[in-house]
Amino acid sequence: SAVISQKPSRDICQRGTSLTIQCQVDSQVTMMFWYRQQPGQSLTLIATANQGSEATYESGFVIDKFPISRPNLTFSTLTVSNMSPEDSSIYLCSVVLAGGITGELFFGEGSRLTVL
Amino acid sequence: AQSVSQHNHHVILSEAASLELGCNYSYGGTVNLFWYVQYPGQHLQLLLKYFSGDPLVKGIKGFEAEFIKSKFSFNLRKPSVQWSDTAEYFCAVSWAGNMLTFGGGTRLMVKP
Repeated sequence: SAVISQKPSRDICQRGTSLTIQCQVDSQVTMMFWYRQQPGQSLTLIATANQGSEATYESGFVIDKFPISRPNLTFSTLTVSNMSPEDSSIYLCSVVLAGGITGELFFGEGSRLTVL
Repeated sequence: AQSVSQHNHHVILSEAASLELGCNYSYGGTVNLFWYVQYPGQHLQLLLKYFSGDPLVKGIKGFEAEFIKSKFSFNLRKPSVQWSDTAEYFCAVSWAGNMLTFGGGTRLMVKP
């Protein structure tokens, strides 16, 4: 397994501002992903964070709204830009460990974001 | 589009009752199947997984799941639940090594 640390764990933000969430993993990973879990709903994949290149976004998510960086194998950031109350969610970093199998994900504890 | 369905959104059981949570997925060839659990206030954890071989897989804490290919199902079972099993359970599927797609989740409450 791995320890996946996310910062901040929670935050309350004002409409129109932006927030960057960090994800740090203590083990070697091959793939990193960002998920969103809206209140009372399941997890939705936002994007795959690619090391040294642009992230791969899922349908309905765009780089201007959710810019992602992954400067090295074990660290990634997700920014939620120009926030609105609809962005209130838990944002989860997840990884596939080196030597692991695609689909066997390990998750961070999430960053709970409330937008007023 | 490929999808995962969990038919039970909320389940309430008494301790020692048997549990079965349904999970069905849309057709799409080779699949890897997972159940994740999220205990109150904690992060998602892998409960069990199926990649190939014996379709009856056993996970942690006495849980098991059966892959029935003909029914596109991967139901989660436990013979006797405990209060500590209160959590939200997510079925997830990956097709041919692609990304995970999660079901809508089932909230289980076990009454002591």
